Amino acid sequence: AQKVTQAQTEISVVEKEDVTLDCVYETRDTTYYLFWYKQPPSGELVFLIRRNSFDEQNEISGRYSWNFQKSTSSFNFTITASQVVDSAVYFCALRGPGTASKLTFGTGTRLQVTL
Amino acid sequence: NAGVTQTPKFQVLKTGQSMTLQCAQDMNHEYMSWYRQDPGMGLRLIHYSVGAGITDQGEVPNGYNVSRSTTEDFPLRLLSAAPSQTSVYFCASSSGALGETQYFGPGTRLLVL
Repeated sequence: AQKVTQAQTEISVVEKEDVTLDCVYETRDTTYYLFWYKQPPSGELVFLIRRNSFDEQNEISGRYSWNFQKSTSSFNFTITASQVVDSAVYFCALRGPGTASKLTFGTGTRLQVTL
Repeated sequence: NAGVTQTPKFQVLKTGQSMTLQCAQDMNHEYMSWYRQDPGMGLRLIHYSVGAGITDQGEVPNGYNVSRSTTEDFPLRLLSAAPSQTSVYFCASSSGALGETQYFGPGTRLLVL
């Protein structure tokens, strides 16, 4: 069975602080895919990143970076110099191999960035 | 491309009523799915389809039906609405390739009284 744990329910930071959102996953598959989605207050789900299990390279996209470590089954997301517009709920998700595999979500981390 | 579209955006039902939530995508995606989002529980899979004419159950299928007569459309039917079905419903689609990203519609907020 697959499981994704986002232990941080809610995080509050002041603008320009760096913040890391944790994601720990469980799977028995050797091939799997990890995702992060953003859900702003408007409610839609916005895709941020996809990573497959064979690619442990960290990725940076502007102020966003992701650290994938298979040894600790973690796929953490860091926002550098946070901004008010980063306020949202962030979901980590896991998808197994196979075209019919489902997407398993964590319970999300609500990030509040204040001035 | 419109991507994934859902209608209606918001609906109020009385217990026992039936309704259909519509979902359509114009990306020629083979895989489509329905999720419900409840506070503190993330998103849970209701039903999914790997192509026209093929559907299967997710983790919370009770009280819902789906069909997939075309590649583009994947409606979700509530047969007899219950207050426990009050939720936000998201439809998603992806190509049939392994591990591809699922793209989500804007959601339908459903309130069952």
